[in-house]
Amino acid sequence: DQQVKQNSPSLSVQEGRISILNCDYTNSMFDYFLWYKKYPAEGPTFLISISSIKDKNEDGRFTVFLNKSAKHLSLHIVPSQPGDSAVYFCAASSPNFGNEKLTFGTGTRLTIIP
Amino acid sequence: DTGVSQDPRHKITKRGQNVTFRCDPISEHNRLYWYRQTLGQGPEFLTYFQNEAQLEKSRLLSDRFSAERPKGSFSTLEIQRTEQGDSAMYLCASSSRQGMETQYFGPGTRLLVL
Repeated sequence: DQQVKQNSPSLSVQEGRISILNCDYTNSMFDYFLWYKKYPAEGPTFLISISSIKDKNEDGRFTVFLNKSAKHLSLHIVPSQPGDSAVYFCAASSPNFGNEKLTFGTGTRLTIIP
Repeated sequence: DTGVSQDPRHKITKRGQNVTFRCDPISEHNRLYWYRQTLGQGPEFLTYFQNEAQLEKSRLLSDRFSAERPKGSFSTLEIQRTEQGDSAMYLCASSSRQGMETQYFGPGTRLLVL
């Protein structure tokens, strides 16, 4: 049962344009969401998070949007840079587990084309 | 560098052998997590510690797996009688507070069971 889904395995975007990565979830108890970036042979690196009391959070070039009614969140990267090429994971947690256990999606490989 | 560290980074073993991995969290973090990532999947939660207490274990953690954090600092994950299905990246993460607190990941230990 995949509770966090990233339906696009890959995405290619021109350098300087906006990258939009999507994530859907099925568990309505999830109330905290995070995005991680992962380079090959490295651990995931935290990018940005959002709690369910907000619908938007920004940090520099990264913005996360949360649509609770649709159980959907998205990560916007603008402008996209070559160093953004990586696998991006969406993760979620719920207070049922004290928000300790993260449930991850399967990832989206983002390639920025120079 | 005061991030999460893991040792070894790579381990190749024969089926049936025992292996042990070590994780050193960020020094002021009292929570430590273990995840496993297989090819094409996101990380999956295995277990977590608050100080030296192991508070939750996933059903993925069979009786061949044991994790310890004896002094509330570093942690070890041991796999006994390894099977080929244990081949994966084993990730450790740490955080400083309960609940909606970012988990910071180490570089992982890649295990290959022949």
